[in-house]
Amino acid sequence: AQKITQTQPGMFVQEKEAVTLDCTYDTSDPSYGLFWYKQPSSGEMIFLIYQGSYDQQNATEGRYSLNFQKARKSANLVISASQLGDSAMYFCAMRETRGYSTLTFGKGTMLLVSP
Amino acid sequence: DSGVTQTPKHLITATGQRVTLRCSPRSGDLSVYWYQQSLDQGLQFLIHYYNGEERAKGNILERFSAQQFPDLHSELNLSSLELGDSALYFCASSLQTGGYNEQFFGPGTRLTVL
Repeated sequence: AQKITQTQPGMFVQEKEAVTLDCTYDTSDPSYGLFWYKQPSSGEMIFLIYQGSYDQQNATEGRYSLNFQKARKSANLVISASQLGDSAMYFCAMRETRGYSTLTFGKGTMLLVSP
Repeated sequence: DSGVTQTPKHLITATGQRVTLRCSPRSGDLSVYWYQQSLDQGLQFLIHYYNGEERAKGNILERFSAQQFPDLHSELNLSSLELGDSALYFCASSLQTGGYNEQFFGPGTRLTVL
């Protein structure tokens, strides 16, 4: 079974609007971390936000927030006030305690922001 | 700029050849991870080194090997290259292995096997 599932291959959003990128995960490890990375067309992987499995509050970093629903095993990324520079591939990833801190990535969602 | 450097940025070679990819982690980071990103397999973890010792192996082929040197830089060696090895190879580094462990990615090495 897939450990990280991103069901949206592509998403379109207009500038200044909010967008939610979906991510569901599968683990039996009680301690894990969830990450979102952005990969622009230039190729580098840029860390956006982190949520720990024991964190009580949803993580936020500027315009990025993580909608963490533990019972549903979902960790959706919310980008508020989209900008043209947000157009990129977005990857959800999980680190399990048993996995020696390696990251398991989803297949990604391509986000296109239009003017 | 993540502080992780990778060389070369691009590499074009032929089937059957051997190449070495190099990674320098962020200053102070002890862990180095290698990932492969290809169109069909996505982003896959290859191998993890911590302070010179191998800590975990992922989907790394036997034709591939890696090491981390005393100065903490790492090299990924790919031999008997096949067309399917064409991919973007990332190195990432982090301070430690446990707990909150943000991994900082390098710019990647794009390998093309002809």
